[in-house]
Amino acid sequence: GAGVSQSPRYKVAKRGQDVALRCDPISGHVSLFWYQQALGQGPEFLTYFQNEAQLDKSGLPSDRFFAERPEGSVSTLKIQRTQQEDSAVYLCASRRRGGAISDTDTQYFGPGTRLTVL
Amino acid sequence: GQQVMQIPQYQHVQEGEDFTTYCNSSTTLSNIQWYKQRPGGHPVFLIQLVKSGEVKKQKRLTFQFGEAKKNSSLHITATQTTDVGTYFCAGAVPWGKLQFGAGTQVVVTP
Repeated sequence: GAGVSQSPRYKVAKRGQDVALRCDPISGHVSLFWYQQALGQGPEFLTYFQNEAQLDKSGLPSDRFFAERPEGSVSTLKIQRTQQEDSAVYLCASRRRGGAISDTDTQYFGPGTRLTVL
Repeated sequence: GQQVMQIPQYQHVQEGEDFTTYCNSSTTLSNIQWYKQRPGGHPVFLIQLVKSGEVKKQKRLTFQFGEAKKNSSLHITATQTTDVGTYFCAGAVPWGKLQFGAGTQVVVTP
């Protein structure tokens, strides 16, 4: 079946513009995660959804970052008034179940959206 | 908060040689996962370790979880050019949030 997809794959924004990044998780997956990966670094957690509920947004860097998953499937990460430090790859991942992880229930990452803020 | 450190940051390996990358946490982990990211790609899940002292093998890759569940290692034998990429370890909280290390970037010389 299809994996996690993200769009756009590349986005160039002028400083101050708003952007919206889309994630289509694997069909039926309950858990959805957003991560931010700066060049040469490991992914950093941003936020977590279980179905439509945003259960953890502790990793969002500022109130300019907003994420939603209104119907429990597709998710959108919105960044308002983009700054140069927002330049990074934004990764989405999904997992089949919610709640406690198990040995066979892993996260599947999408290809990411590379955001460049000029 | 939980910190996950990886060493070395870079690993240059001659094709056919073995190498090991290490992952250390400041706190006890409920489990640890390993991912591989090819240049320009996204993290791809390799394995999850849950039990203290657990050892798992995938062909030429051997993963180990420390007895205290605060460290882990990945050992690759007979390195091939297909092993090029960055290897990340990540500690997971029970509901799945991952705390990644900075990764070990592996370069293989033919």
